[in-house]
Amino acid sequence: EAGVAQSPRYKIIEKRQSVAFWCNPISGHATLYWYQQILGQGPKLLIQFQNNGVVDDSQLPKDRFSAERLKGVDSTLKIQPAKLEDSAVYLCASSLEPGLGGTDTQYFGPGTRLTVL
Amino acid sequence: AQTVTQSQPEMSVQEAETVTLSCTYDTSESDYYLFWYKQPPSRQMILVIRQEAYKQQNATENRFSVNFQKAAKSFSLKISDSQLGDAAMYFCAYYCGSAGNMLTFGGGTRLMVKP
Repeated sequence: EAGVAQSPRYKIIEKRQSVAFWCNPISGHATLYWYQQILGQGPKLLIQFQNNGVVDDSQLPKDRFSAERLKGVDSTLKIQPAKLEDSAVYLCASSLEPGLGGTDTQYFGPGTRLTVL
Repeated sequence: AQTVTQSQPEMSVQEAETVTLSCTYDTSESDYYLFWYKQPPSRQMILVIRQEAYKQQNATENRFSVNFQKAAKSFSLKISDSQLGDAAMYFCAYYCGSAGNMLTFGGGTRLMVKP
């Protein structure tokens, strides 16, 4: 079974530029998550999708971050314009069902390391 | 709001020895889930073990086991017979479906394994 795919693995941009990250979840997984992991910290949830609808985006800085999952499969996270403090690893995860109440598990991708100069 | 605290930024263990990583959390909920994730240098988070709060029995997965103390809100991870491949960042995480869909992570503990 293929895992969660993310691209690119690394990205370096200047502040005020735009950047986009792509995620393809495990086939059949209805729920998709984007996390931000700042160096030395644990991941923080940015947004959660159930199919193509948003379940939770309470911690997404909506003035500069946007995300979509148009066909309920792959997803794109965009930052426009980027700030220095956006330097982090952006992790995508997927699960069969929303939440973790049963035997379900969130499977993580390898992440994209973003450096904003 | 739920918080998860890992008080040990770094831990070191000799190969084949046992090490325990600590985690405490704060919640007013009674039904929730706790997890330990491993993040090697490749950055991919891997689930190590999970514990349902309503279960009194501590979870075990091969060399990994937990000590879940619900009243103390403590959830430690014990790694037995440590191997070089166990070297990684370890994150404790909390989830409660009735309090939002968020998986809340601690700050992590870096585990080094000495040959």
